[in-house]
Amino acid sequence: GAVVSQHPSWVICKSGTSVKIECRSLDFQATTMFWYRQFPKQSLMLMATSNEGSKATYEQGVEKDKFLINHASLTLSTLTVTSAHPEDSSFYICSASGAAGETYEQYFGPGTRLTVT
Amino acid sequence: GESVGLHLPTLSVQEGDNSIINCAYSNSASDYFIWYKQESGKGPQFIIDIRSNMDKRQGQRVTVLLNKTVKHLSLQIAATQPGDSAVYFCAETIFGNEKLTFGTGTRLTIIP
Repeated sequence: GAVVSQHPSWVICKSGTSVKIECRSLDFQATTMFWYRQFPKQSLMLMATSNEGSKATYEQGVEKDKFLINHASLTLSTLTVTSAHPEDSSFYICSASGAAGETYEQYFGPGTRLTVT
Repeated sequence: GESVGLHLPTLSVQEGDNSIINCAYSNSASDYFIWYKQESGKGPQFIIDIRSNMDKRQGQRVTVLLNKTVKHLSLQIAATQPGDSAVYFCAETIFGNEKLTFGTGTRLTIIP
């Protein structure tokens, strides 16, 4: 159980276009979803936290108008990279957490490789 | 905490030997710690966690040690196998907060 999927797994887009990445919790209801960005040979950096039905909370330095996050349901969150530029090329990873008594765990998706040309 | 750089620390271990991966965490208020394994091109995979009221926790072939005095965490992997080759990250948080702060990561390579 506790499977998180992402779609697409990789995407190539042209500079100036927008790209939408989906994150789904397949077998549980995710009250909170997180979006991370990971550059090559670096750690995961949290971009934003989203709760179902409310606006996302962005980390310092992350442009909310550039990285649009929507968490419309308990199983789906989307990240839209608007007006993408080559420096936005990165590995984007989502995670989801759901209430499970005293156990706390974030379940990570497989990641989406974005390349902006 | 450690700064994020362009080069991950690396550790090479002979297959069958034990490995120890270390992590220094940054927030003295953190009370929940998790080790993740990340294989190339994949998302992090949960390995083991520990709360701050414990110094040691064991799983299958893995042991996590926590030293709150020096804000240090370690992951011991026993009898390493080729499939253990990956990047390992520690993460810290305040239990219930949900926001994770990841460490720099260590690339573990198992030599056949």
